[in-house]
Amino acid sequence: GAGVSQSPRYKVAKRGQDVALRCDPISGHVSLFWYQQALGQGPEFLTYFQNEAQLDKSGLPSDRFFAERPEGSVSTLKIQRTQQEDSAVYLCASSSSTPTSTDTQYFGPGTRLTVL
Amino acid sequence: KQEVTQIPAALSVPEGENLVLNCSFTDSAIYNLQWFRQDPGKGLTSLLLIQSSQREQTSGRLNASLDKSSGRSTLYIAASQPGDSATYLCAVFGSNYKLTFGKGTLLTVNP
Repeated sequence: GAGVSQSPRYKVAKRGQDVALRCDPISGHVSLFWYQQALGQGPEFLTYFQNEAQLDKSGLPSDRFFAERPEGSVSTLKIQRTQQEDSAVYLCASSSSTPTSTDTQYFGPGTRLTVL
Repeated sequence: KQEVTQIPAALSVPEGENLVLNCSFTDSAIYNLQWFRQDPGKGLTSLLLIQSSQREQTSGRLNASLDKSSGRSTLYIAASQPGDSATYLCAVFGSNYKLTFGKGTLLTVNP
C-alpha cells in the first residue's frame, strides 16, 4: 500500500503561533516515531508511540511540544508558541512491529517548518 | 550517550568512480546499523541494514560493512552514477529502540 504520508509538506508560521503537523503511517504499523532534522544535521529522535501509547517522549525539546496518536494510527505533533529555533524538518516514521533489531523504519517525506 | 560521526561531510566524484563513505559510533552496544539515502525534499530511504552479528550486507552496487568492536562502518558504492547523488546517513539502533543518526555525507556524482 501507500507509504508514510505527512501534511502539510511546508508550513510557515509567525513566532508565537501554534502549529499542528500530521502523520499518516503505513496501515497496520504498530510503531510510530517523530524526528526533528535541523539544517545540515541528521534526524534527532523526539518521541515514540506503540499503538496509541506514547512510550517515550524524552526527545521533545520543551513542554511546548506535544504529540498524540489517539486511535493508534494517525499522529499529530503540535508545537505551541513557536520559536525560531523550532525551524526544522519534522520526519515521521513507522514500523510494522514493536522495535526489534530486524525492524526497518519507513520514513515520510517530512514537514518543513519555518518560523519567522 | 551514543554519538555517530560521518566522514567526509561532502564528496564530489566523477561518474564511474568507486567510493567509500565512513561512519563511526561511540557505543558498541548496538542491535543494528543502517545506511539511509535522503534526496532533497524527500524522506529517508533505507539502503542496507546490518545486524550486530553480521559483518556486511550487499545490495546491487552497494556494500556495507560493520566492525562493531571498533565502532566503525563503511558504505562502498561501486561504479557511481549521477543518480547516486544524495545525502547518505548512517544510523545505529540501540537497546533504547532509538535510531541515532550521523550528520550525513553529501555525495555529488558528476556526469
